Amino acid sequence: DIQMTQSPSSLSASVGDRVTITCQASQDISNYLNWYQQKPGKAPKLLIYDASNLETGVPSRFSGSGSGTDFTFTISSLQPEDIATYYCQQYDNLPRYTFGQGTKLEIK
Amino acid sequence: QVQLVQSGAEVKKPGASVKVSCKASGYTFTSYGISWVRQAPGQGLEWMGWISAYNGNTNYAQKLQGRVTMTTDTSTSTAYMELRSLRSDDTAVYYCARLDMMVRGVYAFDIWGQGTMVTVSS
Repeated sequence: DIQMTQSPSSLSASVGDRVTITCQASQDISNYLNWYQQKPGKAPKLLIYDASNLETGVPSRFSGSGSGTDFTFTISSLQPEDIATYYCQQYDNLPRYTFGQGTKLEIK
Repeated sequence: QVQLVQSGAEVKKPGASVKVSCKASGYTFTSYGISWVRQAPGQGLEWMGWISAYNGNTNYAQKLQGRVTMTTDTSTSTAYMELRSLRSDDTAVYYCARLDMMVRGVYAFDIWGQGTMVTVSS
């Protein structure tokens, strides 16, 4: 099975900061990686699919990049409403899915 | 609007079974898949499996093979997830989510249900 290592597990940043979260796969997964945002008590929300494609309606301050084993999720200018836990998700051709451990983002 | 509405909270005893429903509206049910994801209290997301609403094909997480069954009723645009032989560590919020493989070719979960809390306790 492919393992996903997401870091950091928690992060504190100020409004307006650039925030970066990384996800590393245990083997090459091409661009088969998605990113989700989950606010407390709510269902996750899809932000980025296939490593770098912004889901419709998602603000452009969110972006994703990477391929192979190393992936990056970026918020270009942190807003108060971005406080949430963020998860990466890899998939294969069956498809089967694995989530990263999550990154809890807080305002400093 | 496009939405998935799940059934209400359940409390079950160890060894029992639970069946959670997920009713779709606002889109063509058979053009998409439905995936199930669970989240234990204070923990991360765990993928359980998915089912094609088009042909009923399923793919389950290896960890749950033999205990989980996913089905659909296309006449009511409803997906179901049944989990058997419940244990205390099955206590979690269970989510259904739409899988957009056929229409956009996107292997991501773009619409989510509100979640169903399943508590397993003696």
